[in-house]
Amino acid sequence: EPEVTQTPSHQVTQMGQEVILRCVPISNHLYFYWYRQILGQKVEFLVSFYNNEISEKSEIFDDQFSVERPDGSNFTLKIRSTKLEDSAMYFCASSGTSGEETQYFGPGTRLLVL
Amino acid sequence: GNSVTQMEGPVTLSEEAFLTINCTYTATGYPSLFWYVQYPGEGLQLLLKATKADDKGSNKGFEATYRKETTSFHLEKGSVQVSDSAVYFCALIKFSGGYNKLIFGAGTRLAVHP
Repeated sequence: EPEVTQTPSHQVTQMGQEVILRCVPISNHLYFYWYRQILGQKVEFLVSFYNNEISEKSEIFDDQFSVERPDGSNFTLKIRSTKLEDSAMYFCASSGTSGEETQYFGPGTRLLVL
Repeated sequence: GNSVTQMEGPVTLSEEAFLTINCTYTATGYPSLFWYVQYPGEGLQLLLKATKADDKGSNKGFEATYRKETTSFHLEKGSVQVSDSAVYFCALIKFSGGYNKLIFGAGTRLAVHP
């Protein structure tokens, strides 16, 4: 069964450093998403991406964040200068063609900013 | 705005007990409703969904019915197992031409003891 994969599973970084989180969505999906879950809190939407551009972003997704689909398979989330409060589990998700609403999630990347 | 409210956990049950996890929502129009499950150390997995009023989603012995009149989507299982121990998230999507974002509840932790 096709699945969303994410790398790395864990990342530890120093405050102020750049991190790139990588995702490989399900191959025939067209819509891509990033969510995050701060420890013990609810899962929050960050950004959605379609046709090589951002379609919606939340207030959390400020200028420090960017997303990219550099090739036909990867979908990345970059945090330019990490803050302590960026420590969270980051989930990538993808969904299919228009009208297919189910989003399939990857296993997540746990980011710890020291 | 759109929101999801879940009963607070943790919910602690003995094996073979009946499970109900309450979920209510606030949304304009007719959202689709989902239950996702997060097993310890893992990502989010779709458990079941319902896309219109009176639909019943079911999977692995779990079921939930989309009740428009009470704006609810309560999760039930007749006989829980230790392996059902996880965090359960209720979520909604308001479909808007493919640019969808999931709005999650806070999650309910279920612990099942032998």
